[in-house]
Amino acid sequence: NAGVTQTPKFQVLKTGQSMTLQCAQDMNHNSMYWYRQDPGMGLRLIYYSASEGTTDKGEVPNGYNVSRLNKREFSLRLESAAPSQTSVYFCASRDRAFTEAFFGQGTRLTVV
Amino acid sequence: GNSVTQMEGPVTLSEEAFLTINCTYTATGYPSLFWYVQYPGEGLQLLLKATKADDKGSNKGFEATYRKETTSFHLEKGSVQVSDSAVYFCASTGGGNKLTFGTGTQLKVEL
Repeated sequence: NAGVTQTPKFQVLKTGQSMTLQCAQDMNHNSMYWYRQDPGMGLRLIYYSASEGTTDKGEVPNGYNVSRLNKREFSLRLESAAPSQTSVYFCASRDRAFTEAFFGQGTRLTVV
Repeated sequence: GNSVTQMEGPVTLSEEAFLTINCTYTATGYPSLFWYVQYPGEGLQLLLKATKADDKGSNKGFEATYRKETTSFHLEKGSVQVSDSAVYFCASTGGGNKLTFGTGTQLKVEL
């Protein structure tokens, strides 16, 4: 049971470098999400995709871009990484409104 | 917009003690409510859920009742174990396709 798979699990970037975090789900879910988790701040929504072909900003979208490549995949791109983007990033998916979300294992990103 | 407020941690309890973690929400309409648990180094896992007023969600000895009159969804367990040590997140649907989380409450259970 793969569920939601994120890659990579760990990454260290230098300030100004770019990278893409990958997320794929095999549950045929319509909606996908990217969150970041920081100490004392819980999970904050970066971007989400309610369905294939649509994306919307969440609470903290600045410095990020997303692509909903197809129904399975939703990637998060940092064009020019900054130390403030050091965080743990979680991808999640769910079938429809009012249902629970399923989470990946997270990507621990450090920007130096 | 929607918001979820949960009690600050960390919460430290002795094994077999009673646990309550408070959670209140603000949302338009009738959201679904969830408790998630996160063990060290892992992602979030659904612990329990409730989809309408007066519903009680339960799992692994944990319970929470959806109280619309007080907009609350407090998590309880009668007798905690060391293995329950984790971070607990309360969450609410609402605002279209968004899922809003509280800041998390760290629980540490000692022998």
